[in-house]
Amino acid sequence: DTGVSQNPRHKITKRGQNVTFRCDPISEHNRLYWYRQTLGQGPEFLTYFQNEAQLEKSRLLSDRFSAERPKGSFSTLEIQRTEQGDSAMYLCASGSQVRYNEQFFGPGTRLTVL
Amino acid sequence: GENVEQHPSTLSVQEGDSAVIKCTYSDSASNYFPWYKQELGKRPQLIIDIRSNVGEKKDQRIAVTLNKTAKHFSLHITETQPEDSAVYFCAASPSGGSYIPTFGRGTSLIVHP
Repeated sequence: DTGVSQNPRHKITKRGQNVTFRCDPISEHNRLYWYRQTLGQGPEFLTYFQNEAQLEKSRLLSDRFSAERPKGSFSTLEIQRTEQGDSAMYLCASGSQVRYNEQFFGPGTRLTVL
Repeated sequence: GENVEQHPSTLSVQEGDSAVIKCTYSDSASNYFPWYKQELGKRPQLIIDIRSNVGEKKDQRIAVTLNKTAKHFSLHITETQPEDSAVYFCAASPSGGSYIPTFGRGTSLIVHP
């Protein structure tokens, strides 16, 4: 499968713990986006990378959230001191410089904070 | 910022009927409008998109129309089939910069056999 992959697919954690998710974009894509999706809502933008540079961050991204894309390939999203309100599906999407605008989503990581 | 409204939130049709989902947007700078289909527990998948220099685009049973003056765009599905049942999201995205889309809240389409 040459699409976007995310790991883990599911994560259950206790409140206060730290979690880290990984996204592997389509190999030739230089754009990478993180979204959060809750039940009954569309994806909400969290942050955007072009290559290794983090160019945009949403106000939704509190200081407990951090994202990296160290070599311009895979990306990680870390949530520190998780809260029950962090429970959601975390989606990653990638896009290319050539086919601008188009984004291809990964399967998501479903986070449950107990 | 951009605000995208999507209606209806739920749409129930009989197999073979047509389905129409409508979205409005607020930012005149938006010029790319994708539609995504998301089946239960699966990733959103791009099914069709339209750019502001085009008024209508068709792909087999799916079509999208865009009215830039009124700032609204619609998804039309003809001859619906049970496998069309899913949540459909519209989005609006600017042409430059980071191309970050704003999504609607989704329409749950149910096609009854």
